[in-house]
Amino acid sequence: EPEVTQTPSHQVTQMGQEVILRCVPISNHLYFYWYRQILGQKVEFLVSFYNNEISEKSEIFDDQFSVERPDGSNFTLKIRSTKLEDSAMYFCASKGLPISGYEQYFGPGTRLTVT
Amino acid sequence: GQQVMQIPQYQHVQEGEDFTTYCNSSTTLSNIQWYKQRPGGHPVFLIQLVKSGEVKKQKRLTFQFGEAKKNSSLHITATQTTDVGTYFCAGPFSGGYNKLIFGAGTRLAVHP
Repeated sequence: EPEVTQTPSHQVTQMGQEVILRCVPISNHLYFYWYRQILGQKVEFLVSFYNNEISEKSEIFDDQFSVERPDGSNFTLKIRSTKLEDSAMYFCASKGLPISGYEQYFGPGTRLTVT
Repeated sequence: GQQVMQIPQYQHVQEGEDFTTYCNSSTTLSNIQWYKQRPGGHPVFLIQLVKSGEVKKQKRLTFQFGEAKKNSSLHITATQTTDVGTYFCAGPFSGGYNKLIFGAGTRLAVHP
């Protein structure tokens, strides 16, 4: 069964450093998402991406965040200058055409620890 | 703003007891989805409900979507230790790109 993959599984970085989280969505999917989950809390939407551009973003997704689909397979989330409060699990998700349903497939996540 | 509320936050049951979690949206939803997250895992899609008043079953799990399409419930009959995890409802919002707004989740603990 196809799956979303994410790397790295765990990233430790110092405050103020840039991090790039990588995702490989399911190959024939067209909609891509990043979510985050602070430990013990709910999953929060960050950004959706379709047709090579951001389609929607949340208040959390400020100027420090950016997304890119550089080569047609990878989907990346960059945080330019990490803050302590960026520590969380970051999930990538992808979805196919609406005709195939609304289900979003989540990757295993990257645990980001900012020290 | 768009909100999805979910109760209870935690539920501890003895194996074999039933479990129910409830979800309520601030606005009418086109559909509602349920996800399960095992401890240390990622959300895994369980089901999607689309029609008003819809009821779907998956073995011991029964999902309902309210008539007004603003509330939903998940009921597990005769819980097993494999049911342990956090159950999230999620409503898709926005015009077509379907960002998911998750409820806070109900963490289920099952004692053998």
